[in-house]
Amino acid sequence: DVKVTQSSRYLVKRTGEKVFLECVQDMDHENMFWYRQDPGLGLRLIYFSYDVKMKEKGDIPEGYSVSREKKERFSLILESASTNQTSMYLCASSPHPGSMNTEAVFGQGTRLTVV
Amino acid sequence: AQKVTQAQTEISVVEKEDVTLDCVYETRDTTYYLFWYKQPPSGELVFLIRRNSFDEQNEISGRYSWNFQKSTSSFNFTITASQVVDSAVYFCALSEAPSTGSARQLTFGSGTQLTVLP
Repeated sequence: DVKVTQSSRYLVKRTGEKVFLECVQDMDHENMFWYRQDPGLGLRLIYFSYDVKMKEKGDIPEGYSVSREKKERFSLILESASTNQTSMYLCASSPHPGSMNTEAVFGQGTRLTVV
Repeated sequence: AQKVTQAQTEISVVEKEDVTLDCVYETRDTTYYLFWYKQPPSGELVFLIRRNSFDEQNEISGRYSWNFQKSTSSFNFTITASQVVDSAVYFCALSEAPSTGSARQLTFGSGTQLTVLP
């Protein structure tokens, strides 16, 4: 069963802490994505990566950074967590855009609370 | 810029009723894909369907059907004879052709919470 696995389902962190959210996929997908999900706003793209060590900003990158050192792993980093980053974070992966099947596969989500 | 609108925030139906979830999109591209995802209470988004912009044929899969109309920029989703297990948040999404070397990004609507009552 193909999978996108996020390291934590729930996290509670303090304001100002550096937070790492980890995501691993086992489908050999080229592309990986980080979204945040907030009520009434749907999913918004934070960052994505189309290759190892490559990254591009999404719609709401402020306050976040990412790292992709290996093809299967994509990390989201909150350099100094703030309460307005309390949210559900979803990781996804997808194959090369030229592939027949273009749909993204999502992880189970990490609900982050910053206090 | 691309945009997806799901005007229905919440819908509640009684089991066995039919229900239609609306999705309206905006894009300047002539080549694009439309998607529906289901998010059950467990949190993981589950892929339901992909439709490309050149294929306006409606699709039926069991109790699910999709109506794609380019003339009105809509991609609506109907569940026939709804069941309690259909209760979830449903997202419509749009992706355009990516720039060279980049990834195909998804733009999501705000989602529709469907509650099916027994």
